[in-house]
Amino acid sequence: KAGVTQTPRYLIKTRGQQVTLSCSPISGHRSVSWYQQTPGQGLQFLFEYFSETQRNKGNFPGRFSGRQFSNSRSEMNVSTLELGDSALYLCASSPRQGNTGELFFGEGSRLTVL
Amino acid sequence: DQQVKQNSPSLSVQEGRISILNCDYTNSMFDYFLWYKKYPAEGPTFLISISSIKDKNEDGRFTVFLNKSAKHLSLHIVPSQPGDSAVYFCAANFGNEKLTFGTGTRLTIIP
Repeated sequence: KAGVTQTPRYLIKTRGQQVTLSCSPISGHRSVSWYQQTPGQGLQFLFEYFSETQRNKGNFPGRFSGRQFSNSRSEMNVSTLELGDSALYLCASSPRQGNTGELFFGEGSRLTVL
Repeated sequence: DQQVKQNSPSLSVQEGRISILNCDYTNSMFDYFLWYKKYPAEGPTFLISISSIKDKNEDGRFTVFLNKSAKHLSLHIVPSQPGDSAVYFCAANFGNEKLTFGTGTRLTIIP
């Protein structure tokens, strides 16, 4: 069974630009969550999607958005990039709604904002 | 507001000895706790979990202890092996809420 796939793995952007990250969950998993990992902050929850609907949202500004497609693939978008957005963005999938159990993480997309 | 805290950013342990990683939480609503392990350039992988109705769960070399009155959990690894060198995150949630992670502890096993 293929794992969670995230693309791109690495990218460099400049301040003010926007970026779109993609996540393909494990086949059959309908829940996709996004996390931001920065040094000293651990994994900060961004949002969770289940059946194309956002079910939960973390404390991030509106510049961070996401969506989920009918095949459960998900994208997240960050607009008007700031230096502080440099981080590893992790996607995780689960067969159930809500992060009540084990999450399966992808390898992440490392974003550098210059 | 860090609801899940891992106060030790790093820990070094001799191979073969016991590694103890600690985690404290502030939200008394949390009823499910997990540990994840992360190698560089990889996503976190699930290690072990415990429900609040238990105080101990064991899986091979890994044991998680939960002390609800102290709002504290710990992960014991016995015996520690070089492949255990990684960053360990504890996480907690309740109901259908999001998983809240700690900041991680980097464990280094010294051969």
